[in-house]
Amino acid sequence: EAQVTQNPRYLITVTGKKLTVTCSQNMNHEYMSWYRQDPGLGLRQIYYSMNVEVTDKGDVPEGYKVSRKEKRNFPLILESPSPNQTSLYFCASRKRVETSYEQYFGPGTRLTVT
Amino acid sequence: KQEVTQIPAALSVPEGENLVLNCSFTDSAIYNLQWFRQDPGKGLTSLLLIQSSQREQTSGRLNASLDKSSGRSTLYIAASQPGDSATYLCAVLTGANSKLTFGKGITLSVRP
Repeated sequence: EAQVTQNPRYLITVTGKKLTVTCSQNMNHEYMSWYRQDPGLGLRQIYYSMNVEVTDKGDVPEGYKVSRKEKRNFPLILESPSPNQTSLYFCASRKRVETSYEQYFGPGTRLTVT
Repeated sequence: KQEVTQIPAALSVPEGENLVLNCSFTDSAIYNLQWFRQDPGKGLTSLLLIQSSQREQTSGRLNASLDKSSGRSTLYIAASQPGDSATYLCAVLTGANSKLTFGKGITLSVRP
């Protein structure tokens, strides 16, 4: 089944303890991205990657890192999580559709930082 | 900077009603517009994708229209059902980096 998977789905951690949220897609998509969703603020892009070894900042990159060593995986790294990073996180990939793109989203990771 | 607005933020209707959800965007130079459904605490499910050259797309009881020049899209839901209760998000793809910008969504409640 074509899909975007994320792990873990739920995570409770403490301030300052490094964590990684994994994202993988099996559709051979070149473009992948990370979003966070917060009440009243909607979905905001954190980082995106146009292809392997090519990453760039989105709207809210502070406090996050990413890497793209292989096409299928795009992990999100929080080196020193803080409570303001408590949020619902989505990984996405996209495929080419005629002259534009269609986005596919993972199931989400609910992160709580205490 | 692209901005996407969805008003109202919440809507409650009785079962069986036909309804329209609105989405507006400020920059008409879009590649496409996509409507998503999100159930509480869940991921986003793509409902319809309208290319910039298209006027509408249909899937079952859903019909989405796009008026790029006026910066508007509507999602029409026919014969609404309680199972349609969810948050509906629209998102537009714009810019050199093909960035997806989301509205904040409309939370729909269909009363039995």
